[in-house]
Amino acid sequence: AQKITQTQPGMFVQEKEAVTLDCTYDTSDPSYGLFWYKQPSSGEMIFLIYQGSYDQQNATEGRYSLNFQKARKSANLVISASQLGDSAMYFCAMREGHTGNQFYFGTGTSLTVIP
Amino acid sequence: DTGVSQNPRHKITKRGQNVTFRCDPISEHNRLYWYRQTLGQGPEFLTYFQNEAQLEKSRLLSDRFSAERPKGSFSTLEIQRTEQGDSAMYLCASVFQSSTDTQYFGPGTRLTVL
Repeated sequence: AQKITQTQPGMFVQEKEAVTLDCTYDTSDPSYGLFWYKQPSSGEMIFLIYQGSYDQQNATEGRYSLNFQKARKSANLVISASQLGDSAMYFCAMREGHTGNQFYFGTGTSLTVIP
Repeated sequence: DTGVSQNPRHKITKRGQNVTFRCDPISEHNRLYWYRQTLGQGPEFLTYFQNEAQLEKSRLLSDRFSAERPKGSFSTLEIQRTEQGDSAMYLCASVFQSSTDTQYFGPGTRLTVL
């Protein structure tokens, strides 16, 4: 079974609107971490936001927030007030265990912001 | 610049040649990871180091691949007898062991095997 599933290969959003990128995960470990990364066309993976499995509050970092629904095993990324520079690939990732050795990545969602 | 650096950024080689990539992590980070990313896919784990010790290797890492991290600083990834299927982006990430273990990535090395 896939550890991380991103079901949206491509998404479009109007500039200044909000967009939600979906991510579901699969683990039986009670301790895990969830991450979102942005990969522009230049190729570098840029860390955006982190959510720990025991965190009570949804994580927020500026315009990024993570909608964490533990029972449904989903960790959706919400980008508010989209900007043209947000156009990129977005990857959801998971680290299993308290200090897990491996990270698992999804297949990514390509976001295009329309002016 | 205090981020993760990788060299070269691009490498074009002929099938059967050996190639070596270098990764310089963020200086206080004790863990270093190598990933391979092909078009349309997320990064796939290859191997990781805790300081100078190579602690885990993926089954993706065939005998033609070898990685080192002498003295627990920079790391090298060598591919011997390259094949066209090795064409990919090779990403390095470093981690400062903490409660989050966030990985910080370098810009990657894009390998093209002709």
